[in-house]
Amino acid sequence: QLQLQESGPGLVKPSETLSLTCTVSDGSISNNYYYWGWIRQPPGKGLEWIGSIYYSGSTYYNPSLKSRVTISLDTPKNQFSLRLSSVTAADTAVYFCAGHTNWGWFDPWGQGTLVAVSS
Amino acid sequence: ENVLTQSPGTLSLSPGERATLSCRASQSVSSNYLAWYQQKPGQAPRLLISGASTRATGIPDRFSGSGSGTDFTLTISRLEPEDFAVYYCQQYGSSPYTFGQGTKLEIK
Repeated sequence: QLQLQESGPGLVKPSETLSLTCTVSDGSISNNYYYWGWIRQPPGKGLEWIGSIYYSGSTYYNPSLKSRVTISLDTPKNQFSLRLSSVTAADTAVYFCAGHTNWGWFDPWGQGTLVAVSS
Repeated sequence: ENVLTQSPGTLSLSPGERATLSCRASQSVSSNYLAWYQQKPGQAPRLLISGASTRATGIPDRFSGSGSGTDFTLTISRLEPEDFAVYYCQQYGSSPYTFGQGTKLEIK
């Protein structure tokens, strides 16, 4: 059973870049079955898909965030990462990583990590 | 993008009652690629239903999904205390993947 775990700073200053990593265990990030995605949830609000990456390196982003998002793979470490630039308070959220199949539902999920944007 | 609207926003019911949650899409959901998730406070969402009606592994059969096109329903036949949570629908038939705003199922 795949397990995912997010890590990264819990506080980022406005205008800086948010960087998070998702470590995949009990399975290989290089398998051709899963895409690896990021989803966020502002406090008390709903879920928003940020983007996904395939083992080949192909990336797919939500147009609403595309200009500020980069998702990348670190295959030797079995990790994938999220970078979100020029953050504002509106980017304060719990950030989840998750696996999904091509045109598929999100499962499994990491436990989530809260990132606050504040000076 | 395909906007999903869930109703009601909050549903107040008692254990043992039947819950019916609705998810309406602004455009037809390709291949009925619609999922339902349950989320409890401080936890990640848990997959309940995929493909509009297929229960995920380990999900009790009191949970059922139905619908097609633009109208989908999650039904919980007899509520257990652990079912009170927030429920989200999500479409994965077109990009960007989108979620509904959620229905909070609370104890009456």
